[in-house]
This record gives sequence, structure tokens and C-alpha cells, in this order.
Amino acid sequence: DAKTTQPPSMDCAEGRAANLPCNHSTISGNEYVYWYRQIHSQGPQYIIHGLKNNETNEMASLIITEDRKSSTLILPHATLRDTAVYYCIVSGGSGNTGKLIFGQGTTLQVKP
Amino acid sequence: NAGVMQNPRHLVRRRGQEARLRCSPMKGHSHVYWYRQLPEEGLKFMVYLQKENIIDESGMPKERFSAEFPKEGPSILRIQQVVRGDSAAYFCASSPYGGRISDTQYFGPGTRLTVL
Repeated sequence: DAKTTQPPSMDCAEGRAANLPCNHSTISGNEYVYWYRQIHSQGPQYIIHGLKNNETNEMASLIITEDRKSSTLILPHATLRDTAVYYCIVSGGSGNTGKLIFGQGTTLQVKP
Repeated sequence: NAGVMQNPRHLVRRRGQEARLRCSPMKGHSHVYWYRQLPEEGLKFMVYLQKENIIDESGMPKERFSAEFPKEGPSILRIQQVVRGDSAAYFCASSPYGGRISDTQYFGPGTRLTVL
């Protein structure tokens, strides 16, 4: 079973920031938070990951709470091409082979 | 740097035939993961391989499915005696370090298998 909880769907206006929440209350100390997205039926696309500090790259920002029990993915200026299913995944840690356990994700609909 | 390549992109088989799906990892990556996405369902892990070794096959069906990643050439996911329930999208992902902490997987475009 997935170790994360996400809202099933969200809407966002084009050009506005999209904030996608994720709960991972059982995360262990050495597990990372990963975000992937799947546009239509394409292969999942890596977005960003982090351990405890906030992270930013050319695609998005990742904000992780101090207790690490939740995080938020921020797409600063959503476009129509950002419409996709977004997956928050907890992975890594000792004894983990690196396999990704996908939940149902959040379907983000960016509207004009 | 070319991404993960999968072929064929679409495969049609009749019940009882064999399906072979190929995955060429990114250059420099020696770890391959296979995932399956059934229609209207989420992605499910199947198997994790390093060169010439199966590391984790906890998600593989017990019968008819096998995987290999030889020293030379692509990784192969083989499905014998396919049934209609095998119709799905099969994705492979590669990574440079495998199960180590903070190792990112990069996915291919997938193979869509249709069993008639």
C-alpha cells in the first residue's frame, strides 16, 4: 500500500500557482519524498524529491514540513500542459530496494 | 543523452502467444525497474533488476512472467501464454544507483500490450 495520502483531484487556473498537498505521516527518518507526474498515458515524469529541506528546480518547488509528515508541491505558474496525475511517493530508506509504490495520485486540471 | 527506450510501443497478441517487451536503460544506468498499469488503474511495481541479477521480484505474478537483464543488451520482460487480463501498459524505469537512498528513476514511454 502507498504510504501517502493525496486529494483525488484539484483545479487550477492557468498562470496561477498550483499547490498540491501530500500527507506521509508514517515516513521514516531516511526516506525521501518524491514527486512524479503522468500526463495522459505517457510514462511517469520525475519532478522533484527531497529529504527534509525545501527544494526547488526548474519545474517546481517542494516544501516539506519540519516534522516531515506532510509536503506540498508547488508549480509556480501552471500551464495547460501541466494537466496530469501527480504522484507523491515515499521511497528510499534502509532495506528498501528503491521500488516506487504509486497511490492514486491527484488529478490536476489546469483551466484556461 | 537518450532517455529510456522501450520497444515495441504497441504489441498485439492472441491468447496463448508469448509477448516480449524490451527496455534499454539510459546510458550509464545499470538498474532497471518494470511497472504495469492496468486499464483505469494505478502503476504497480513488478520487478527490479541489475545486470545479470534479479534483486526484487515481489510484484511479479507467480506464473507466466519472467524478466532478465543480461550483461549485454536490453532488459526483457517475457509473458508466456498471454491472457486478456495481461492487456496493460508496461513501463520500465532506469536509475544509476538502484536501491540506494535518493536514487531517481527515469521512465520510458511504455509498451501497450493488447491481448485479443
